Amino acid sequence: AQTVTQSQPEMSVQEAETVTLSCTYDTSENNYYLFWYKQPPSRQMILVIRQEAYKQQNATENRFSVNFQKAAKSFSLKISDSQLGDTAMYFCAFINSGGGADGLTFGKGTHLIIQP
Amino acid sequence: EPEVTQTPSHQVTQMGQEVILRCVPISNHLYFYWYRQILGQKVEFLVSFYNNEISEKSEIFDDQFSVERPDGSNFTLKIRSTKLEDSAMYFCASRGSPADTQYFGPGTRLTVL
Repeated sequence: AQTVTQSQPEMSVQEAETVTLSCTYDTSENNYYLFWYKQPPSRQMILVIRQEAYKQQNATENRFSVNFQKAAKSFSLKISDSQLGDTAMYFCAFINSGGGADGLTFGKGTHLIIQP
Repeated sequence: EPEVTQTPSHQVTQMGQEVILRCVPISNHLYFYWYRQILGQKVEFLVSFYNNEISEKSEIFDDQFSVERPDGSNFTLKIRSTKLEDSAMYFCASRGSPADTQYFGPGTRLTVL
């Protein structure tokens, strides 16, 4: 079974700073996808960024980028120029690429607070 | 932009009652999912559904739970006899193919009294 570990329950940074959220995972699979989802106080789950394991290039989406280290099974999220609206829970998630039946496996989340 | 919708946004029920949570997945999506998030905890997979049948289910998804796609648009989760520990946020998600991202609905907060 896959596991996803987020070791930082809470982080706090000043607005405009850069922050990195860590995530490690464990799997015996070679092909899979990794995601970061954002959950603001409304509790909606919003996709932030996605990474395919077969791609060596790290995914980027505007101010959000990942550092994907496949051998180390590490998938960290970097938020540049952080904004007050980035305050939320951030969940790292994993899914096998084999078929559509599998659900996402989530980590416990990191509560990110952006201070003005 | 198409989105997954869920109704109701908040459901309050008495222990032992049946509840049905409703979802309308994105229209051309074929794979459907339910997840649960107990307050303060991580999101947990319940069940996946494809081609009008359950594809995969977790150990949480016991005989008290059932899913159905009663028509071409709705996807429902039924809890037959609710317990206090069923109080949680329930998320529906859908995707078009196994390679696609799962898109989540806004969730239904279920409170069992």
